[in-house]
Amino acid sequence: EPEVTQTPSHQVTQMGQEVILRCVPISNHLYFYWYRQILGQKVEFLVSFYNNEISEKSEIFDDQFSVERPDGSNFTLKIRSTKLEDSAMYFCASRRGAQETQYFGPGTRLLVL
Amino acid sequence: RKEVEQDPGPFNVPEGATVAFNCTYSNSASQSFFWYRQDCRKEPKLLMSVYSSGNEDGRFTAQLNRASQYISLLIRDSKLSDSATYLCVAHTGNQFYFGTGTSLTVIP
Repeated sequence: EPEVTQTPSHQVTQMGQEVILRCVPISNHLYFYWYRQILGQKVEFLVSFYNNEISEKSEIFDDQFSVERPDGSNFTLKIRSTKLEDSAMYFCASRRGAQETQYFGPGTRLLVL
Repeated sequence: RKEVEQDPGPFNVPEGATVAFNCTYSNSASQSFFWYRQDCRKEPKLLMSVYSSGNEDGRFTAQLNRASQYISLLIRDSKLSDSATYLCVAHTGNQFYFGTGTSLTVIP
C-alpha cells in the first residue's frame, strides 16, 4: 500500500538555524499539507498546497515558513530561523482529490535548543 | 471559538464495553468529517469518514447531525487494541480542523 514518507524522523537544531523537512506524498495525490503537533496538544493545520501553489495557510504559517515542491515527488517545509516554540512533531499529508480523505506521513520530530 | 471540540476524557473502559465519543463543530459550512485514531507519538490514521446517513465499519459506527453540528463515534465490544486517542476532524474550505482528541484506554 502506498504511503506518505517523511525525512528525517528526528531533527535537533539550534535556535536561529534553518531547517528543511522533507516529504514524499503518495504518487497520484494532488493536494499536500503540513501540520504540526506540539507535545500534548492538538494537530494544527499549517498550510495546504495544490497545483504548485499555496491554497490556504493558517496564522501559524508566518514569514519564517515556506513550502516548495521542487520536483515531481518531494514536498518540503522550510523554517528559516527556528525558535524554541517551533519544537513539535511536523506531519505531512496528501490526498488524491478534493473529496477524498488525506493520509499522513509518520512525522518529523523537531527539537529546537 | 474552537472549530472542533471534543471531550478529552480519559475514558477507561473494560474489554467488551461499548463506548461513545462526541464532537461538535462550529462552522456550518464544513463539508465533510472524519474520525482518526492516533497512537502515542505516531501519525493520525483514518478510522472512518462520517456521513449524514450514518455509517458502520465492523464494531465502529459514526453519525453526523448537521442540524446540531454534532458528530459521534460508537465503539462496540472494545478490544485492548482500541486504546488510542480518537480525533474528530472537520474539513472546511481547504483546511482540516482537528479536535484535541479523546483518550481511550481499554482495560483487560
